[in-house]
Amino acid sequence: DAKTTQPPSMDCAEGRAANLPCNHSTISGNEYVYWYRQIHSQGPQYIIHGLKNNETNEMASLIITEDRKSSTLILPHATLRDTAVYYCIVRVFTGNQFYFGTGTSLTVIP
Amino acid sequence: DAGVIQSPRHEVTEMGQEVTLRCKPISGHDYLFWYRQTMMRGLELLIYFNNNVPIDDSGMPEDRFSAKMPNASFSTLKIQPSEPRDSAVYFCASSSRQGRTNEKLFFGSGTQLSVL
Repeated sequence: DAKTTQPPSMDCAEGRAANLPCNHSTISGNEYVYWYRQIHSQGPQYIIHGLKNNETNEMASLIITEDRKSSTLILPHATLRDTAVYYCIVRVFTGNQFYFGTGTSLTVIP
Repeated sequence: DAGVIQSPRHEVTEMGQEVTLRCKPISGHDYLFWYRQTMMRGLELLIYFNNNVPIDDSGMPEDRFSAKMPNASFSTLKIQPSEPRDSAVYFCASSSRQGRTNEKLFFGSGTQLSVL
């Protein structure tokens, strides 16, 4: 599976949009981009995933560049409960393993 | 559904003792994963099962670690003998492939293991 690069930490003001970047320059054509988050002392939680097109659900939006070498997770209106470590993962759909990197520690500031 | 259930939530033991961690996956899920999380190494995949059969155990650190899945609703991760460097949070996760594109991993709450 392709490797991802994320900034180690970010801050965001409460109520503002949080934009979390991820680089995956070696991504293959059949690899999906997944985002998970981990709130302190809990297990990781699925957020969203996509292949080529931008995706949106009740939690977030995922913007994937046209060359698919990078993506951005957008939390449109960050709340204090969004403070967590966010993991960007790329994996082949038929693959079985999710490999988690070090992620981005997002702190939402009141 | 109650989600992935892990027990115990916390375990404190002395070096050399046997430790058994337990996991009940979500009903109907055919994949089960064991992860370990530490500050130094982050989340590491230890082993995963498909239909109760171990598929890849390359992440198991050494022979002191073993995992079993005797049936679709139960799995154990055993450490014997335990060492202080085994102290970590151990997560169990399950998923269901079934040809869907939106496969998701569902994680349990984890077991915080401290080996003194």
